[in-house]
Amino acid sequence: KNQVEQSPQSLIILEGKNCTLQCNYTVSPFSNLRWYKQDTGRGPVSLTIMTFSENTKSNGRYTATLDADTKQSSLHITASQLSDSASYICVVTSNDMRFGAGTRLTVKP
Amino acid sequence: SAVISQKPSRDICQRGTSLTIQCQVDSQVTMMFWYRQQPGQSLTLIATANQGSEATYESGFVIDKFPISRPNLTFSTLTVSNMSPEDSSIYLCSVARDRDSPLHFGNGTRLTVT
Repeated sequence: KNQVEQSPQSLIILEGKNCTLQCNYTVSPFSNLRWYKQDTGRGPVSLTIMTFSENTKSNGRYTATLDADTKQSSLHITASQLSDSASYICVVTSNDMRFGAGTRLTVKP
Repeated sequence: SAVISQKPSRDICQRGTSLTIQCQVDSQVTMMFWYRQQPGQSLTLIATANQGSEATYESGFVIDKFPISRPNLTFSTLTVSNMSPEDSSIYLCSVARDRDSPLHFGNGTRLTVT
């Protein structure tokens, strides 16, 4: 069983709408959690990093949250744009890096 | 952030042949990794490429199948040997300054084995 579970597996929203992606993990000990964006045909790019003491961090229209007690993180995208269409991957660093399978987001006009 | 050039971007190969993938970084980096990403799956770490010494392989991956070279701090190659259709996947090179730094990825090599 993967120690980093992401949901939903895929998501389709209309341009301008908001959405929230989820990441639950069982990895221990915890060092940090990163959200990556992977455009089709490209390598993943880091969006944000969350450490144990951080609850919320924003990067433009992206806001990540972390609840270290329940081992859950979310990535909220505000006012979605067509260019947000991509896979979003949650990566938890412990003694090594554990990757989630990603959420495939499609933003339609 | 590091700029990573990965070649080839894609290839179609016949069963039983080998393909060498190159990864060139525009700056010296300590940590360099090779990942595999199968459709709809997580990224899976194949090995850590160590400069001047043998690569460190993850469980399920062996040097005979995936030989890796890293002659200096800016370049590495991954060879997929004696390929079978099960090796069809995207192979990604990535680098990081240290454990707490983000990974920077190449754009990947999409390999199809027929």
